[in-house]
Amino acid sequence: EDQVTQSPEALRLQEGESSSLNCSYTVSGLRGLFWYRQDPGKGPEFLFTLYSAGEEKEKERLKATLTKKESFLHITAPKPEDSATYLCAVQAKAGRRALTFGSGTRLQVQP
Amino acid sequence: GAGVSQTPSNKVTEKGKYVELRCDPISGHTALYWYRQSLGQGPEFLIYFQGTGAADDSGLPNDRFFAVRPEGSVSTLKIQRTERGDSAVYLCASSFSGGARETQYFGPGTRLLVL
Repeated sequence: EDQVTQSPEALRLQEGESSSLNCSYTVSGLRGLFWYRQDPGKGPEFLFTLYSAGEEKEKERLKATLTKKESFLHITAPKPEDSATYLCAVQAKAGRRALTFGSGTRLQVQP
Repeated sequence: GAGVSQTPSNKVTEKGKYVELRCDPISGHTALYWYRQSLGQGPEFLIYFQGTGAADDSGLPNDRFFAVRPEGSVSTLKIQRTERGDSAVYLCASSFSGGARETQYFGPGTRLLVL
């Protein structure tokens, strides 16, 4: 059974204080690992897809990396508008299109 | 262009009632997905459509849940004999063709509360 575990559950940062969110996964062959951002009362918003170990992708203050067992979302010099829940999801190779999500990390960036 | 839209945005119903939730995918997207998200949890997969047919309904929790997509565009998720445990946010997503690794774009969700 595919599993995704995200840590920490919640993270409070000061503006400008860089940190990393962790996503550990167990999947029967990884087709893709997806990062989404979710604001309160809204649907998940796509950020990145990573396909193979060693791959990295960046967008503004966010950088996602992937190993064979986990992914990290690095946030550099965060701003209050980066406050949100960050969700990690995996898609298995076994023909399924369903995404298996973790429970997310709730990030709060204080000015 | 317009994103995925879902109606209603909120639905309050009584235990035992029937509800329908609607999803309008991004224009041109042939793949459509339904997920359910409970408070403090990530979305859980319910069902995936490729065109008009349900390609994977392995996430539907029981036979009270049913979904259709008769013309390959709009989809309706139907819940019979609602229970309090059905209360959650129901999210719809679409992707271009349902191919492997495709990005799934989510709508804003329908918040269902069963009293």
